[in-house]
Amino acid sequence: SYELTQPPSMSVSPGQTARITCSGDALPNQYAYWYQQKTGQAPVLMIYLDSERPSGIPERFSGSTSGTTATLTINGVQAEDEAAYYCQSTDSSGAFVMFGGGTKLTVL
Amino acid sequence: QVTLRESGPALVKPTQTLTLTCTFSGFSLSTSGMCVSWIRQPPGKALEWLARIDWDDDKYYSTSLKTRLTISKDTSKNQVVLTMTNMDPVDTATYYCARIPSSSSGEWFDPWGQGTLVTVSS
Repeated sequence: SYELTQPPSMSVSPGQTARITCSGDALPNQYAYWYQQKTGQAPVLMIYLDSERPSGIPERFSGSTSGTTATLTINGVQAEDEAAYYCQSTDSSGAFVMFGGGTKLTVL
Repeated sequence: QVTLRESGPALVKPTQTLTLTCTFSGFSLSTSGMCVSWIRQPPGKALEWLARIDWDDDKYYSTSLKTRLTISKDTSKNQVVLTMTNMDPVDTATYYCARIPSSSSGEWFDPWGQGTLVTVSS
């Protein structure tokens, strides 16, 4: 079955750049999406269609893809960015959704 | 403003059927391209997509759960209902509904409801 693979955790200091990766065989042909989930809250869309940022999302969040890997980049990480981040895509048919296992970002 | 809210029982017994309702506002599920999905998250674990219903009543289900799931909509009430049969303790999770704003462009979820925690226990 198709899977999306993320590192379980990463840590960065405030002001540094965090790059969270998501690997999947269908990513060259399917869009990647990214969500932020803070403890006890519902997920929030951060990036759609690989690199588009919804209104209200800070410019320090950006998305990119290369081959089978999608990357969420957070420039100038702030304490409020501490959260779990999930990537999402669809299978080759475009109808069935999968999520990555999530990456817990800790701001030191 | 688009909002979604999940409702349903907080506790169900093993083997029972779970019925969850997603009540939404700020959009119409009769608008071309609009869809609503259900997604769940066991405590401390990752998100898992369950089902989707489209404006034209097309339906899609998780391959691993499709024999247990039914999704339906009541456009006049702005509601989407998910039923899951034969509940088991491993189905304990927070269940979310979320809008897909434009399925013709891609499949992303925005916004999400607040979620409802369902515990399966005797």
